[in-house]
Formats: sequence, structure tokens, C-alpha cells
Amino acid sequence: EADIYQTPRYLVIGTGKKITLECSQTMGHDKMYWYQQDPGMELHLIHYSYGVNSTEKGDLSSESTVSRIRTEHFPLTLESARPSHTSQYLCASSDPRMRDYEQYFGPGTRLTVT
Amino acid sequence: GESVGLHLPTLSVQEGDNSIINCAYSNSASDYFIWYKQESGKGPQFIIDIRSNMDKRQGQRVTVLLNKTVKHLSLQIAATQPGDSAVYFCAENRGYSTLTFGKGTMLLVSP
Repeated sequence: EADIYQTPRYLVIGTGKKITLECSQTMGHDKMYWYQQDPGMELHLIHYSYGVNSTEKGDLSSESTVSRIRTEHFPLTLESARPSHTSQYLCASSDPRMRDYEQYFGPGTRLTVT
Repeated sequence: GESVGLHLPTLSVQEGDNSIINCAYSNSASDYFIWYKQESGKGPQFIIDIRSNMDKRQGQRVTVLLNKTVKHLSLQIAATQPGDSAVYFCAENRGYSTLTFGKGTMLLVSP
């Protein structure tokens, strides 16, 4: 089992609220990722990081931001939640010294914005 | 644009049967193709990969076939078990450790 954790698992929040989705991994992986996934659909990369102080935007246009101050922690923040942000958010990490396309995923945060 | 897609959204099989899940890709420059399994309520889990210069790779009960001529990838699961029920995604490695995921195929295994 991969040691990557996401909190909260479920979140229902009103429009306009600021939220932070937490992601932590204990594997010492340099690379971390955030994906958005609608039910039954493919994963879309929204942010990734090569390591501390590195953040990159992914393919999917997102109004979220990320930070990487510590290797193990990669939080995602929505400054003002909207109903269109309702989705599942998956965090992942990989070890660039190994097969870095072998990504280890957390269980996800299911976000509902009312 | 570049994309990875799956042919069948749902595949239903009997326990003990062999399962074949298919995937089409369009980016010939990808160096690795990967299969992930996602069980209900969990994040995807790596199953097996294949390098672009290979045609076939076998794992434990799983085999991945790559046909570069028609840009087709398949995952074969031998002696399918109820625990194999999940959504399966193919993905391609675009470099810089970013993946492009295809649409999933749900595999339903009945006893």
C-alpha cells in the first residue's frame, strides 16, 4: 500500500468559500501531482511539482493554486469555490529515480460545492 | 489533439473467464504505456507498463499487448476474479513524468 494521504475525504461547501485540500506522502517522493476526475471519467492533470519550491500547471485550466514548501506536503487551494468545481480531486506522487510514470495515488477528496 | 481512448465503457465477464480491455492512442512519441486499475472509492493503482519498443509484456495474470501499427493497446487478464472488478485506465507517458489518461473501462466480474 502506498503511503499517501488526502484529507478531507468528503467536503460539501457553499459557493464563494475558500478551501484547501490536503495531500501528504511519507515515501520521500520528489514528484507530486493533482488530478481532477469526474465520476467514471478519465483523470485530468491540474498541477504538478518536481520538488520543493517547484509548481507547474497541468493540462486542465484550473482556478486552484498549489504550494510545495515541504517534500511530503502538496496542498491544493481554491480561493473561491464554485459549483463547477464539484468533482473528485486525486493526489499522487512518484519517485523520479524509479519509473516515475508509476504514480501512487491517494484515496481522493470528493468535493461538492452548493 | 493527442489523446488516449478506450473502445468499450463496460465489460461484463464470468469468474474464471479471460478479459480483454482495449485502448487506442494517438501520440506515437510516447515512450511508455501504462495500465491503471481503480477500485470503487480508491485512487488508481499501477498494474503494468510496456515500453514503446516492445510488443508484449507479461505480469502476474496480466498481459499487455502493444500494436504500434494501429496504435492499439490491450490488457488481458487471465482467469478473471471478482477482485478484478474495477475501472481500468490506459495512460501514456508524455515525458516530464506527466501522464495522459484515457477514458476508463469498467470491468464487472460475476461469480
